[in-house]
Amino acid sequence: QQQVKQSPQSLIVQKGGISIINCAYENTAFDYFPWYQQFPGKGPALLIAIRPDVSEKKEGRFTISFNKSAKQFSLHIMDSQPGDSATYFCAASRYGGAQKLVFGQGTRLTINP
Amino acid sequence: DAGVIQSPRHEVTEMGQEVTLRCKPISGHNSLFWYRQTMMRGLELLIYFNNNVPIDDSGMPEDRFSAKMPNASFSTLKIQPSEPRDSAVYFCASSPGTSKFFGPGTRLTVL
Repeated sequence: QQQVKQSPQSLIVQKGGISIINCAYENTAFDYFPWYQQFPGKGPALLIAIRPDVSEKKEGRFTISFNKSAKQFSLHIMDSQPGDSATYFCAASRYGGAQKLVFGQGTRLTINP
Repeated sequence: DAGVIQSPRHEVTEMGQEVTLRCKPISGHNSLFWYRQTMMRGLELLIYFNNNVPIDDSGMPEDRFSAKMPNASFSTLKIQPSEPRDSAVYFCASSPGTSKFFGPGTRLTVL
């Protein structure tokens, strides 16, 4: 019940295209869903997060779509740029206080110029 | 703010040696997390502390691993004795509440 499943494992998108990464969770107690971006040799950095009281959250070119009934959420990167090439991790936890963050397996995104 | 600070950034050691990884969390953050990242297993939570107290160490793989947080500004992760399968990148993260902020990691290689 602690698992977060992420797909695809790797993704290649042309510059200007839309990148879509999907995640599914099992634990219905989870109510905080962040996405992290990791560049080679760096630690994961918080990109955007959503709570289940909304179905979508947008920050610049990055959008999270959330489907509570399906227990799924996805990251959309609009107008993808070569600088977006990185590994992306979805995660889930309970909200508030010191909570364990469970990560998906990661998606290696490559944006071709 | 300097962010989460980890040292050393790289560590190469021989099997059987003791390894100590260090972390300085962001000032004011009351939770600290140790994660391990490998290609095979991804990002795994090893242990986390709240207000310097260990809350959950169920992710610590074996008794060879131990972690301490003697005060709010310092934590260590120790492996004794180290084994080649411990080779990984170890991340420390701190949190003021829900959002976690990761350090740059320590790349550990055990020969």
